[in-house]
Amino acid sequence: GAGVSQSPRYKVAKRGQDVALRCDPISGHVSLFWYQQALGQGPEFLTYFQNEAQLDKSGLPSDRFFAERPEGSVSTLKIQRTQQEDSAVYLCASSLEAGEEEQFFGPGTRLTVL
Amino acid sequence: SQQGEEDPQALSIQEGENATMNCSYKTSINNLQWYRQNSGRGLVHLILIRSNEREKHSGRLRVTLDTSKKSSSLLITASRAADTASYFCATGTQGGSEKLVFGKGTKLTVNP
Repeated sequence: GAGVSQSPRYKVAKRGQDVALRCDPISGHVSLFWYQQALGQGPEFLTYFQNEAQLDKSGLPSDRFFAERPEGSVSTLKIQRTQQEDSAVYLCASSLEAGEEEQFFGPGTRLTVL
Repeated sequence: SQQGEEDPQALSIQEGENATMNCSYKTSINNLQWYRQNSGRGLVHLILIRSNEREKHSGRLRVTLDTSKKSSSLLITASRAADTASYFCATGTQGGSEKLVFGKGTKLTVNP
């Protein structure tokens, strides 16, 4: 089947706007991850779901960032009152089972905050 | 914050040559993985080596792991222009979250 998909692929927001980024993991994958990748850097962990449970949100940089996965499949990362420092590529990854180390990444959403 | 560092930051070689990239990390790990990222695209998993393994091969890839030095190396043999990409090491840490902690990456250019 299809890999991990993310939408939109590109998003331009004015500072202060709210944005919502969507991730469709590989069907049947239990674990879902969000990462933030700044230009020229490696991805940095934001949050992790196992099914619908958010088990680790230690990487979310502020309370403006919120993620959900209500039915254990599609996930949404929401950023409220966007700031320029939020500009980055947001990557979603999924893995088949909890403890399955290989993660499958989507193409990312490039967010630019003006 | 990022786990460690890849070195070199950038590497340019000719097609057919071998490319070696190194990765250092800071904390105890369960496994270390290497990923490739082509420009504007997502990451692709290349190879995983567990903390109790010292060397692993996959096609033209050879990975070594030295847990006493907290370092790993990725060797790509007989490189091709299509190998041009950024390469990241990522560690799965002991105890708790399934998250991966990535380094800053090595940008490899293979010239035809």
